[in-house]
Amino acid sequence: AQTVTQSQPEMSVQEAETVTLSCTYDTSESDYYLFWYKQPPSRQMILVIRQEAYKQQNATENRFSVNFQKAAKSFSLKISDSQLGDAAMYFCAYRSVYNNNDMRFGAGTRLTVKP
Amino acid sequence: DGGITQSPKYLFRKEGQNVTLSCEQNLNHDAMYWYRQDPGQGLRLIYYSQIVNDFQKGDIAEGYSVSREKKESFPLTVTSAQKNPTAFYLCASSPPSGGREKLFFGSGTQLSVL
Repeated sequence: AQTVTQSQPEMSVQEAETVTLSCTYDTSESDYYLFWYKQPPSRQMILVIRQEAYKQQNATENRFSVNFQKAAKSFSLKISDSQLGDAAMYFCAYRSVYNNNDMRFGAGTRLTVKP
Repeated sequence: DGGITQSPKYLFRKEGQNVTLSCEQNLNHDAMYWYRQDPGQGLRLIYYSQIVNDFQKGDIAEGYSVSREKKESFPLTVTSAQKNPTAFYLCASSPPSGGREKLFFGSGTQLSVL
């Protein structure tokens, strides 16, 4: 089964600075999707960004971008110009193309934003 | 507005008691899921259903049961056999997509043991 690893339980960043959250995954599949979800204190899960494995171009959504390294099985999230509202738990997730019920989540990284 | 509604927001269970968590969606999605969230462990899949009257066990199904009698509803029962039920439970749904689509999540139910 696929596994997702987030090696940073906690991270902090100064407001307006840039921070990168790490994620690695293990799979034998060649096609899949990767996601970053944000969970603020309200505990609502919010999609931040999505990456298709067959696309070489890294996904971007405003201040959020990813560094997708397929050979290294790495999928990091970069948050630029950090804002207080970015403080949350961030989860990396893997979803199989072949079994699309199989969405695997990492343990999460708690991001603190300092004013 | 379309979305997923989970109730109650907070639930307390006594020893030996079964409790049922409600999940309703009006997104017309076929697939629905239940996840358990514990601190430091991310989300783990309990059960999922791809179609009415059909469901499959996830990674941690022991001590839980589900039903899918209507497309809109996917209730989760935490039985007395689940010895460590205290957790945050999230319901999700997804359109058919080959894995491309995100999961749509409800706002969750926090279950605690009295």
